[in-house]
Amino acid sequence: KAGVTQTPRYLIKTRGQQVTLSCSPISGHRSVSWYQQTPGQGLQFLFEYFSETQRNKGNFPGRFSGRQFSNSRSEMNVSTLELGDSALYLCASAPSRVNTDTQYFGPGTRLTVL
Amino acid sequence: AQSVTQLGSHVSVSEGALVLLRCNYSSSVPPYLFWYVQYPNQGLQLLLKYTSAATLVKGINGFEAEFKKSETSFHLTKPSAHMSDAAEYFCAVSGSNNDMRFGAGTRLTVKP
Repeated sequence: KAGVTQTPRYLIKTRGQQVTLSCSPISGHRSVSWYQQTPGQGLQFLFEYFSETQRNKGNFPGRFSGRQFSNSRSEMNVSTLELGDSALYLCASAPSRVNTDTQYFGPGTRLTVL
Repeated sequence: AQSVTQLGSHVSVSEGALVLLRCNYSSSVPPYLFWYVQYPNQGLQLLLKYTSAATLVKGINGFEAEFKKSETSFHLTKPSAHMSDAAEYFCAVSGSNNDMRFGAGTRLTVKP
């Protein structure tokens, strides 16, 4: 089975721009969660999607949004980029809801905001 | 809300020595607890998880962790460190609201 894939792997943007990151979960997995990883704040939960609905959201501003498609693929969008948004963005998929199933992580998208 | 605290941001051991990475949790409901490992430029890989079935949990690569409710701890151990164990390790907790909270991470260095 193919693992979680994330595209692109690396991205460079400038302040004020917007960006869209993509995540393809493991086949058959219906839950997709997003995390932001930075040296200062560590790993922080952004949101979880299940059956095309956002089920849970972390403490991030509204500039961070996401969606999930009927095939469980998910996208994350960040608008009006700030320097502090530079981070590794990790996507994780699970067969169903997070707390009863193992999450499988993708390799991440490294976003650099200049 | 649940949270985890990892004691020690850096741990250094000699090859063949015991590995002990500490994690304490806080949760108002019975928690699900996890240990993940992250190698440079990679995502996280699950080592093991606790879901109340057994207090001693065995994972991959020879790692295990023991859930101690009285101490609110879930420490990760491995009897004999290998050079390939050098990585960053994250403890995580998930509660009834289904969001996973990670600790700050512990970087393990293995000296030859």
